[in-house]
Amino acid sequence: NAGVTQTPKFQVLKTGQSMTLQCAQDMNHEYMSWYRQDPGMGLRLIHYSVGAGITDQGEVPNGYNVSRSTTEDFPLRLLSAAPSQTSVYFCASSYNLRGGPVNEQFFGPGTRLTVL
Amino acid sequence: AQKVTQAQTEISVVEKEDVTLDCVYETRDTTYYLFWYKQPPSGELVFLIRRNSFDEQNEISGRYSWNFQKSTSSFNFTITASQVVDSAVYFCALSEDAFLNAGNMLTFGGGTRLMVKP
Repeated sequence: NAGVTQTPKFQVLKTGQSMTLQCAQDMNHEYMSWYRQDPGMGLRLIHYSVGAGITDQGEVPNGYNVSRSTTEDFPLRLLSAAPSQTSVYFCASSYNLRGGPVNEQFFGPGTRLTVL
Repeated sequence: AQKVTQAQTEISVVEKEDVTLDCVYETRDTTYYLFWYKQPPSGELVFLIRRNSFDEQNEISGRYSWNFQKSTSSFNFTITASQVVDSAVYFCALSEDAFLNAGNMLTFGGGTRLMVKP
């Protein structure tokens, strides 16, 4: 099992550019999510998905889009990059069933994004 | 709304000292889950423990132990006989029960950077 994989590891963008951060998991987890990590603020939830075709907003969704066409993949799109989106982005997945206990999330290695 | 506070931003200890990392949480739910994650200098997030709100038993795993106290809304983490390899940022996180959507949206504390010096 590769677990949760993310590409690229590093990315530099200019203000206004768009790009997609890729995330994939091979654990057949229904739940996937994207977080951003900024110094001193812990991780904050951007978007999440409880299964293919279902997505919802987290705490800081502005400027980001997601889609979930398969169980395995959950890409994060930056529509028009801004310096405020400079951060480390983590994708995570977990095995949860509706009405069941909340399980731990498995995190990818992260993507370090710099927007100039 | 849920909130997690880790008041200690940085702690520095000498190897073999015991150290406790504090975590205080706020939630309106009666069913919730608490987690601790470790982020070593390499940057990945490593799951350490999960605790649900109905299980107040303390847990010990090797040199690690966790003290969950609902009365004070705290879930503290103690490392006994710290080692240099324990140097990392430690995050406490909270997930409220999400019956309808089976999501577990984690709310993280700001993290505590632990530095263990030889």
